[in-house]
Amino acid sequence: NAGVTQTPKFQVLKTGQSMTLQCAQDMNHNSMYWYRQDPGMGLRLIYYSASEGTTDKGEVPNGYNVSRLNKREFSLRLESAAPSQTSVYFCASIKGPATEAFFGQGTRLTVV
Amino acid sequence: KNQVEQSPQSLIILEGKNCTLQCNYTVSPFSNLRWYKQDTGRGPVSLTIMTFSENTKSNGRYTATLDADTKQSSLHITASQLSDSASYICVVSKNSGNTPLVFGKGTRLSVIA
Repeated sequence: NAGVTQTPKFQVLKTGQSMTLQCAQDMNHNSMYWYRQDPGMGLRLIYYSASEGTTDKGEVPNGYNVSRLNKREFSLRLESAAPSQTSVYFCASIKGPATEAFFGQGTRLTVV
Repeated sequence: KNQVEQSPQSLIILEGKNCTLQCNYTVSPFSNLRWYKQDTGRGPVSLTIMTFSENTKSNGRYTATLDADTKQSSLHITASQLSDSASYICVVSKNSGNTPLVFGKGTRLSVIA
């Protein structure tokens, strides 16, 4: 019962490098989300996927792209990392309305 | 303007004491309200989910209340333990299928011996 699995757990990038954060859930959930959490801030939505094959922008999408590869996997890509993207990134999945949301353990990203 | 406001920002209490955290929201139309606990360095974990028709829900020593008319919720923690030290986040969902959750900034609770 893995739930939501994120990889990697930690990453250091140089400005301008690219990388992809991976997220997979094994609960057959329809909706998946990517959030970032900065000190003193609530979780802010980057992108979400309401169902397989669809993606939508959230509150802070600039500098990111996403792919809903299949029902299980939802990846977040930074094409050209910037120091402002230093944050903790959380992936979440939900089966449907008024059901519990499950979060991954987070990816701590530092861009230098 | 944040649609989910929490207070206080932080709180320190003695082990064994009770405390109440507040959440006010303006999210509309409202579907459900959730309370999450987030330990340092971990992802949030669900404590309760309440829909429009529910005004109280308990999970062990945690009791959440909801007043949908005034758009207020509270989370009451009874007989606090050191392990309750965490951030408590209020999250509101709109009344629309897969609309993303709207997060408050959380209340940082520290329980000390």
